[in-house]
Amino acid sequence: EAGVTQFPSHSVIEKGQTVTLRCDPISGHDNLYWYRRVMGKEIKFLLHFVKESKQDESGMPNNRFLAERTGGTYSTLKVQPAELEDSGVYFCASSPLPVLVSNEQFFGPGTRLTVL
Amino acid sequence: RKEVEQDPGPFNVPEGATVAFNCTYSNSASQSFFWYRQDCRKEPKLLMSVYSSGNEDGRFTAQLNRASQYISLLIRDSKLSDSATYLCVVNMAGYSTLTFGKGTMLLVSP
Repeated sequence: EAGVTQFPSHSVIEKGQTVTLRCDPISGHDNLYWYRRVMGKEIKFLLHFVKESKQDESGMPNNRFLAERTGGTYSTLKVQPAELEDSGVYFCASSPLPVLVSNEQFFGPGTRLTVL
Repeated sequence: RKEVEQDPGPFNVPEGATVAFNCTYSNSASQSFFWYRQDCRKEPKLLMSVYSSGNEDGRFTAQLNRASQYISLLIRDSKLSDSATYLCVVNMAGYSTLTFGKGTMLLVSP
């Protein structure tokens, strides 16, 4: 069974540019999560989808970040315009059931974003 | 105060050693507890869930003390392949999201 995949693996952009990250969850997983790790900090939650609906977006840092999951399959996270502090590793995770029940989220390899 | 606190390490131990990691969490409403393992430049992977009664999986033993809001992970007979960062992770009641500590780095040497 294929795991969570993310694209691109690395992205280097200049401040002010736009970047779109993509996540393909494990097939059949209704729950999709975005997390971010900035240098020197812990992994932090950004957003949770249940199918195509945003269940919780309390972790989104500001309105420069836009996440979508049209059709309830893959998800995109767009940063527009990117700022230096957006640099970090963006992880996507999926689970078939909420973590309260399944006790495991499966993580993708992450997208390493560098904003210059 | 950080929601989940861990000693960042690194812990340098020889093969065969026993090593213990600790973690404290600040929110008493935390409901589920986990240890994840993260290899360098890789994604986090679930190592084990932590149950109130304590649980063991091979060389790994996890303990939870709700009164002290404290979680531990014990690794016996360390292997070179155990070298990684160990992330303490909690889940708040009513939420699906995970809250991570910064991780404790373990380096096992020959």
